[in-house]
Amino acid sequence: QVQLQESGPGLVKPSETLSLTCTVSGGAVSSGLYYWSWIRQPPGKGLDWIGYIYYNGNTNYNPSLKSRVTISVDTSKNQFSLKLSSVTAADTAVYYCARLRAARPLYFDYWGQGTLVPVSS
Amino acid sequence: EIVLTQSPGTLSLSPGERATLSCRASQSVSSSYLAWYQQKPGQAPRLLIYGASNRATGIPDRFSGSGSGTDFTLTISRLEPEDFAVYYCQQYDSSLYTFGQGTKLEIK
Repeated sequence: QVQLQESGPGLVKPSETLSLTCTVSGGAVSSGLYYWSWIRQPPGKGLDWIGYIYYNGNTNYNPSLKSRVTISVDTSKNQFSLKLSSVTAADTAVYYCARLRAARPLYFDYWGQGTLVPVSS
Repeated sequence: EIVLTQSPGTLSLSPGERATLSCRASQSVSSSYLAWYQQKPGQAPRLLIYGASNRATGIPDRFSGSGSGTDFTLTISRLEPEDFAVYYCQQYDSSLYTFGQGTKLEIK
């Protein structure tokens, strides 16, 4: 059974960089069958896709966040990570990591439990 | 960017009733790229339907998906108490993944 678990600081100050790591178990991030994604959900709101990374380092980001987002992968640790720079209160959200199929049909099949990251001074 | 509009925003039904949730796209979406998710309070979304009409592993057969082009539907044939949750549709187009705003299914 594939499991994903987010980890990282529970609070980030405005203008700083949000950093999260997703640890994958029961499956390999080096698999060519999947993309490894980040999705966020502001409190009480809907879901926003942030971006994904492939095992070879190829990335695809949501244009709305592209200038501030970096996703990286560490296949030796079976982890992938998110960095979001210059955060504001609008970046306060539950951040989920998820596995995304890399071939049709496309869907997010496994999700982490999510981690709430408030942005506040 | 394709925008997904879900309706109704809130649906109030009783256990045992049939639920019909709509997802309308601003442009045509390939059926291979349309999925539905269920989210309960404090939990991550769970995949229900992929490819517009295929149930994910372990999903009861009371859940079904249909539609094509710009109009897609999630149907729950007989509501169980555990089905009351928020439901999201999601699509892929031009390297961008987007979700609808969600339909909240609440107990009447």
